[in-house]
This record gives sequence, C-alpha cells and structure tokens, in this order.
Amino acid sequence: QSVLTQPPSASGTPGQRVTISCSGSSSNIGSNTVNWYQQLPGTAPKLLIYSNNQRPSGVPDRFSGSKSGTSASLAISGLQSEDEADYYCAAWDDSLNAVVFGGGTKLTVL
Amino acid sequence: EVQLVESGGGLVQPGGSLRLSCAASGFTFSSYEMNWVRQAPGKGLEWVSYISSSGSTIYYADSVKGRFTISRDNAKNSLYLQMNSLRAEDTAVYYCARWGTRPLDVWGKGTTVTVSS
Repeated sequence: QSVLTQPPSASGTPGQRVTISCSGSSSNIGSNTVNWYQQLPGTAPKLLIYSNNQRPSGVPDRFSGSKSGTSASLAISGLQSEDEADYYCAAWDDSLNAVVFGGGTKLTVL
Repeated sequence: EVQLVESGGGLVQPGGSLRLSCAASGFTFSSYEMNWVRQAPGKGLEWVSYISSSGSTIYYADSVKGRFTISRDNAKNSLYLQMNSLRAEDTAVYYCARWGTRPLDVWGKGTTVTVSS
C-alpha cells in the first residue's frame, strides 16, 4: 500500500488530454512539493516535473503539473504514442523522514 | 556526461549479504545528496535510503532499517549500499539517484538483486 494514491491505469487517444491524480496527506503533499517521474518500458525512471509544476529542460510543454492542498495532478496534452509509460508521483514525507511514491499509473495510448 | 552506474547485484540466499556500488561521473559528486530506490519485479518504485552530500545525515525506509547501510566515498565518487539479512522481498532492481536542486534528477540503469534459495 503506497503512501501516495494514484489510479493504477489511465488511457487516451492520440491528441487527447489526460490527467493523472495523486493524493496524499498533510505530512507529504500538504507540506512539500510534488515531483513526477516517467518510466518507459524497460528503462530507468526519468524526472518529468519537479516543484509541483516545473519542467526540466528537454521535457515538452505538453506535460504540466499542479498541486492543491494534499493532492496533485499531472496533465498530458496532445497525447502521443511515445507517452505510453508508467507515471509516478513522489514527495518528501515529514513524518516518515522518507521519500514516498505513489503506486504508479500505467498510461495506455489507444 | 552526467552518469551513474550501479554494480554489485546478483543472486544471494535468504539471510545473506550483498554490497551495491554506484559510480558517479560528469558532475561534482561531493556536492550532491544521493538516494537508493528499488523496484520489485512488476511493482512500483520504493525509496530505500538517503544520504546527504557530506554523509552526516542518513535516512532509511522502515522496510530496510537495521538491515541496510548507506555510505559514500566522495574521494572515489562512489555511493554504496550494504545489504544484510536479505529477504525474498528485497528482490528488486536497485537504482541510485542524485538529489540536487531537482529531486532524483539523474538515475542509473539499475542493478538486479535476487534473493532466493
């Protein structure tokens, strides 16, 4: 059971906009920034969004993040086949003194 | 090129020990906090441990506390994870990951640990 809660799956057709939610608590998302990671099949995770809504250089602006209270979300617009991957949210947890991850969301591009 | 390369994984019997290493290159290793993150087969990411740039601050996940020890050698640009009393549930790909101004912004390709008799 992950500390952060994500839907196990999401899907969309090319060109659509999809969102992935991440729910936490006051000790993690409520008091720290949220980060998102993309893991393509068979590869290591890659930082996609940091500090709730910042994109590292090289990440397309089709990817955006937001946070409100103890929840966060990742939005992907103009969905492309290469976006098919697992997506994880993460945050520092002040009570656990630990990085906590969501269980991951498998995105399928139909 | 900024790079992290893990090594030391393998097959070990339950109760056994293993030491993982992570070699860093392309950046000033001593300036960065480092982490170990693992992924069991077909499962999600699980954070394992954190160490500050100087090594003075260390945190562990409850699942490995008392069994795993994280350390670093800044002179050798290397991060380590000593794993003792290994259990079947420790079977996973172990990644080292850098934490700088951006969290977990660089990851290695991982090394596989299998705990089985």
